[in-house]
Amino acid sequence: ETGVTQSPTHLIKTRGQQVTLRCSSQSGHNTVSWYQQALGQGPQFIFQYYREEENGRGNFPPRFSGLQFPNYSSELNVNALELDDSALYLCASSLDPRTQYGYTFGSGTRLTVV
Amino acid sequence: AQTVTQSQPEMSVQEAETVTLSCTYDTSESDYYLFWYKQPPSRQMILVIRQEAYKQQNATENRFSVNFQKAAKSFSLKISDSQLGDAAMYFCAYRIYNTDKLIFGTGTRLQVFP
Repeated sequence: ETGVTQSPTHLIKTRGQQVTLRCSSQSGHNTVSWYQQALGQGPQFIFQYYREEENGRGNFPPRFSGLQFPNYSSELNVNALELDDSALYLCASSLDPRTQYGYTFGSGTRLTVV
Repeated sequence: AQTVTQSQPEMSVQEAETVTLSCTYDTSESDYYLFWYKQPPSRQMILVIRQEAYKQQNATENRFSVNFQKAAKSFSLKISDSQLGDAAMYFCAYRIYNTDKLIFGTGTRLQVFP
């Protein structure tokens, strides 16, 4: 059984650029959630995808968007990057959107915007 | 507002000793789940222990146990027989039943000394 894998592990982008982060969910999980973890902070919920549809969204602007594919892998896209977007982006998968169990997290993508 | 407060930015413990990490939360809901996650330098969030709010019995997982005080909205984590591998950031989180997002605290950095 594989866990959650994210790519790339590190990324440096210039302000104003666009970035795509990728996540492969744990086998058997149909739900993917994305979190942003700024330095020294706890993760903040960005959005969740369930069966290829956005299922819930946190307080993030529309330039944060996502996709989920039929194999339940997912992408997080961020347009018009700002310096404050520099953070660790964590992907988490689960058996269903409102599982009573915890989520399985990946090791994240460290994004630096310069 | 739904918030999680971890008032101890850093804690330290000697190997084989016991340490308790504090967490309080604020919600008007009655049904929710509580979690403790561990984040080592590898950055992956690892579920340590979970608790359903409707259960009065405190959860335990081997050396890890919680003290859940629902009326006080307190959810502390006790680590017994601390090991060097327990050194990490620890995040308290909760999720309201039938919603899709985890709400995290700002974390406590635990150091374990030999």
